[in-house]
Amino acid sequence: AQKITQTQPGMFVQEKEAVTLDCTYDTSDPSYGLFWYKQPSSGEMIFLIYQGSYDQQNATEGRYSLNFQKARKSANLVISASQLGDSAMYFCAMRELTNTGNQFYFGTGTSLTVIP
Amino acid sequence: NAGVMQNPRHLVRRRGQEARLRCSPMKGHSHVYWYRQLPEEGLKFMVYLQKENIIDESGMPKERFSAEFPKEGPSILRIQQVVRGDSAAYFCASSPLLAGADNEQFFGPGTRLTVL
Repeated sequence: AQKITQTQPGMFVQEKEAVTLDCTYDTSDPSYGLFWYKQPSSGEMIFLIYQGSYDQQNATEGRYSLNFQKARKSANLVISASQLGDSAMYFCAMRELTNTGNQFYFGTGTSLTVIP
Repeated sequence: NAGVMQNPRHLVRRRGQEARLRCSPMKGHSHVYWYRQLPEEGLKFMVYLQKENIIDESGMPKERFSAEFPKEGPSILRIQQVVRGDSAAYFCASSPLLAGADNEQFFGPGTRLTVL
């Protein structure tokens, strides 16, 4: 089974509107972390937001918030007030604490295009 | 504090040659992870190293690929006898000594390998 599933290969959003990028995950470990990264066309991976499995509240970082629904195993990224510079690939990732340390799993990504 | 550094940023090799990719983790970080990103795909874990130790190489192809993280100097990902299918972006990430499920990995800018 896929550890991280991103079902939206591409998304479009009007500038200044909000957009939700979907992410579901699969783990049986009680302790894990969920991350979102942005990859612009230049190729680097930029950390956006983190949610711990024990965190009671949804994580927020500026215009980014993570809609964490533990029972449904979903960790959707919400970007409010979209800007043209938000156009990029977005990757959801999960970190599990294994007996050899940590392992990261990435989804296949969602390509977001912000329309002026 | 300099971030994770990778060099070269772009590498072109002919089939059968060797590729050496270098990664210098962030200062104070002793955990290094290598990932491969094929075109239009997400990142796939390859190997996790600490200084002088390979902790988890479950994502490494069994042949032609090797990785090391010596006591002094950068981590090296080595690909022998490259083939066209090795063309990809290779990302290195580092994390602090006390890595837990909630610790972020800091990514380098990646090395884009092209095999002619």
